[in-house]
This record gives sequence, C-alpha cells and structure tokens, in this order.
Amino acid sequence: NAGVTQTPKFQVLKTGQSMTLQCAQDMNHEYMSWYRQDPGMGLRLIHYSVGAGITDQGEVPNGYNVSRSTTEDFPLRLLSAAPSQTSVYFCASRRAFENAGTQYFGPGTRLTVL
Amino acid sequence: GQQVMQIPQYQHVQEGEDFTTYCNSSTTLSNIQWYKQRPGGHPVFLIQLVKSGEVKKQKRLTFQFGEAKKNSSLHITATQTTDVGTYFCAGSDGNQFYFGTGTSLTVIP
Repeated sequence: NAGVTQTPKFQVLKTGQSMTLQCAQDMNHEYMSWYRQDPGMGLRLIHYSVGAGITDQGEVPNGYNVSRSTTEDFPLRLLSAAPSQTSVYFCASRRAFENAGTQYFGPGTRLTVL
Repeated sequence: GQQVMQIPQYQHVQEGEDFTTYCNSSTTLSNIQWYKQRPGGHPVFLIQLVKSGEVKKQKRLTFQFGEAKKNSSLHITATQTTDVGTYFCAGSDGNQFYFGTGTSLTVIP
C-alpha cells in the first residue's frame, strides 16, 4: 500500500492564482481531511469528508474548496491564492467511525504564495 | 469554540533525562490522539486514548487520559536522541480533531 500520497511536494504561486492540491489514499478509508500547519500554531483543520459526496468545513475553510467524488481522492482547491495561505498542507485519512484510531498523514505540500 | 492547549512549547533535555508534555482541553473529549513529527516530516500516529483515566505504555513512552477526559499527558523515560521531534496531541469531539500547538523536544547528547 502507498498509504496517503500528495502532489505536488512544493509549489510557488503568485497572489490571485488558483491551484489544486491532490490527495489520494489506497486504504479504503471513509474519512479524509485537509490540515494546514503554520509555525507555532499546530495543525488546523480546513475541510473534511466522511465519504464520497459528503464534505464539511473545519476550523479554517475560507479560501478553499473541496469535493469528494471517489473514496480514494480528496483534492483541495485554492480559489485565489493569498500570501496568508503560505503554509504546509497535509492530507490525512482514517476509518470514519468514532474512536477509529490511526490517522495516516501524507508527506505534505509546501506552498508559498508571493 | 474547541481549544486544545499544550505545554511546554519547547523542551531541551540531556540524554537520559525524562520528558513530559501536557494537553488541556476546554471541553470534554471523545478521545485523544498523540503524534510525533520529525523536522521536515509529517505527523506520525503514536496512540489513541478513549477511556476516562486510561493509561497506555509503549516501551519508554507513557500516555495518560484524565478522569474528566479533558487533559492528557505524554511522558518519556530516559530520553534518547531518536526521541527528537515535535509531539502533538489531538483531541476529538467525535467528529473533528483539534490539535495542540505541539512540544518541540531537543535531546542533548
């Protein structure tokens, strides 16, 4: 199993550009989520999904869109990039039931917005 | 809103000394998870605690969940250089996880 994969690893954008961060998992997990990590602030939840066709907002959803058309993929779209979105983005997946245990993180995408 | 506070932010220890990091939530948690992140890496799941007062051990690591399910701790006995990294707690309300700000551990050989 590849686990959770993310592309690209690094990205530089100009203010106002849009892009999609890709995330895929091969563990048949129902629950997938996107976090951003900023220095001194831990990880903050952007959006999450409990299954194909179902998405919901986390703590910091503004400026981001998600969709979940398949169990495997959960892309994150930046609509109009801003310097405040410079961060490291992690995708994660786990089983959906409460107390499901292990949450697997992808290797991350390091995004810089100029 | 939900908040998970974690202290200390940084900890420097001599190799062989013990280390403890603490998490406190403003609300009762469904469960709490602990992660380790090496510099430049991604969070790696260590353990999940579910029951009130639960204590779990993994070799030199001891994890505790408070009786009120609002606080937790991670204790490392006799630290080694391989323990270097940032340790995060993540509390769940049954749906979302709320991460603490992490404790960065430096081990001095």
